[in-house]
Amino acid sequence: QVQLQESGPGLVKPSETLSLTCTVSGGSISSYFWSWIRQPPGKGLEWIGYIYYSGSTNYNPSLKSRVTISLDTSKNQFSLNLSSVTAADTAVYYCARDLYARIPEVDCSTTNCYAGWFDPWGQGTLVTVSS
Amino acid sequence: QSALTQPPSASGSPGQSVTISCTGTSSDVGGYNYVSWYQQYPGKAPKLMIYEVSKRPSGVPDRFSGSKSGNTASLTVSGLQAEDEADYYCSSYAGSNPRVFGTGTKVTVL
Repeated sequence: QVQLQESGPGLVKPSETLSLTCTVSGGSISSYFWSWIRQPPGKGLEWIGYIYYSGSTNYNPSLKSRVTISLDTSKNQFSLNLSSVTAADTAVYYCARDLYARIPEVDCSTTNCYAGWFDPWGQGTLVTVSS
Repeated sequence: QSALTQPPSASGSPGQSVTISCTGTSSDVGGYNYVSWYQQYPGKAPKLMIYEVSKRPSGVPDRFSGSKSGNTASLTVSGLQAEDEADYYCSSYAGSNPRVFGTGTKVTVL
């Protein structure tokens, strides 16, 4: 069965770039979408973005200017970079497989046309932004 | 795109049923049949319980069921058990921000 594991620094300084990697085991990364999701301490979930094995990406509009998600199929890994971090970016960061579905009634040329749900999830990694 | 609205808490006694609502708009929950639900224990990763409004992944007990009416989706847990005490989050397709989560509901088994 597919398993995901996040890795990366647990402490990042303000204004720097947060970088995390998710390693996928038990299955190939060369299918499905792959998402990053975060959860500030004591708060709810926030979707950050996804990448498709082709390399195409889609990001949460509220984070789009600071987010880059990339893929390394040779290592079965995908990564998250979040730039110019502040204390508000302190959160548990999860990676997850995104089981997408094309929505037939939505025009892909005008908006995102792929719904999705997340299964499985990695265990999560806490990233604290502090000097 | 704002988070979907869930009640902060819900509770029930063992054996009873509890229903959690997830309210959005016609641009997300009401417009498409792509609502999913997740169960999260403290300090643990969320787990998929329902997808496409009412479908259960393999291994999820049939005590968990999903439905939708208008702009509100619902998760019902029947025959409540102590192990069902957790946080529950809904999620929906929402167009240009294609994955929006709900605010979360803490379910307490009395």
